[in-house]
Amino acid sequence: AQSVTQPDIHITVSEGASLELRCNYSYGATPYLFWYVQSPGQGLQLLLKYFSGDTLVQGIKGFEAEFKRSQSSFNLRKPSVHWSDAAEYFCAVGAGNAGKSTFGDGTTLTVKP
Amino acid sequence: SAVISQKPSRDICQRGTSLTIQCQVDSQVTMMFWYRQQPGQSLTLIATANQGSEATYESGFVIDKFPISRPNLTFSTLTVSNMSPEDSSIYLCSAGPDGEQYFGPGTRLTVT
Repeated sequence: AQSVTQPDIHITVSEGASLELRCNYSYGATPYLFWYVQSPGQGLQLLLKYFSGDTLVQGIKGFEAEFKRSQSSFNLRKPSVHWSDAAEYFCAVGAGNAGKSTFGDGTTLTVKP
Repeated sequence: SAVISQKPSRDICQRGTSLTIQCQVDSQVTMMFWYRQQPGQSLTLIATANQGSEATYESGFVIDKFPISRPNLTFSTLTVSNMSPEDSSIYLCSAGPDGEQYFGPGTRLTVT
């Protein structure tokens, strides 16, 4: 069975500082990996995805993530955080073309001015 | 990508009644998914809806409580039956091509 762990429940960073959100997954084959962002009262927006190929993937809003098979990780990074990045971030692993995804518990990002 | 809309966006319902949530995708997709997000929690998959076949339910969810229809490749409904306050949640529909998943804005359900 697939599973996702986001070790950090809550992270606080200063505006302009760099950000890394951790995600570890468990899956028997090559996973489909996703990061989503959810602002308060909003739906989920897909930030980026990894299916295959280059292990460093670029997403929207200046985010990137790196797939490390040896560590079963897919950490999300941003070099300089903006106040508008404050939100809930979810990592998910998908079962390829079977489509359904399993989500981590989420990491709440707070941005200090 | 896919653009997904849901109706209603929110509702307040009385205990014991049922609510049907509609989900529309702007392109044809093989599978559509229904998730529940309880307050302050992550997403939990309720079921996968394939066109032309019965929905596949995850452990802990049953068809009598959450009947699903999938009449064509762009539309699905989820009904929350015989509601109790514990069903108060956000219900999200998702779909997408080639293993991707895009989400609708969700339906915020409050059961009183």
